Amino acid sequence: AQTVTQSQPEMSVQEAETVTLSCTYDTSESDYYLFWYKQPPSRQMILVIRQEAYKQQNATENRFSVNFQKAAKSFSLKISDSQLGDAAMYFCAYRRPLAGTYKYIFGTGTRLKVLA
Amino acid sequence: GAGVSQSPSNKVTEKGKDVELRCDPISGHTALYWYRQSLGQGLEFLIYFQGNSAPDKSGLPSDRFSAERTGGSVSTLTIQRTQQEDSAVYLCASSLTSGTAYEQYFGPGTRLTVT
Repeated sequence: AQTVTQSQPEMSVQEAETVTLSCTYDTSESDYYLFWYKQPPSRQMILVIRQEAYKQQNATENRFSVNFQKAAKSFSLKISDSQLGDAAMYFCAYRRPLAGTYKYIFGTGTRLKVLA
Repeated sequence: GAGVSQSPSNKVTEKGKDVELRCDPISGHTALYWYRQSLGQGLEFLIYFQGNSAPDKSGLPSDRFSAERTGGSVSTLTIQRTQQEDSAVYLCASSLTSGTAYEQYFGPGTRLTVT
């Protein structure tokens, strides 16, 4: 069975600095999707970035980028120029690509605090 | 268009009572998912609907939990004889099942408190 591990329950970063959130996963499959979601206090889960395992290039979305290391089964999220609005819970999620198995497997999350 | 909506936003119930949680997915999204988020935990998958059928209900924790979806749209998650351990945030998500990524769009959740 697939598992997702986020080993950092909480992280802090100074405003305008860069922070990296870690995620590792375990799977025997070669093709899959990985996601980072942000959950602010409003509870609304917001997709931050996604990565297809067959793509070697790391995904980027503005200030957010990932370091995808397929062999190491690692998928870290880098937030550059951190802003106060980035403070939230961040969840890493794994999804198999096969039809009929669309559910996400989530990690336990990392709470990010942004210090002014 | 509108996002995924859930009602009620918060629900307090007494142990042993039944509760119904509602989810309105994004229009046109054929897939619908329920997850449970307990305090300090990640999100736990409960059930997945494709249209009105549920090909994967492997995450339902006990037979006190059931869900249905009608008209390929609204879904209701029912918890019978609630227990204190059922207290959690219940999140609903929907997605397309065409395209490659099938990314899920989440509602704001229902916070259930069982006293």
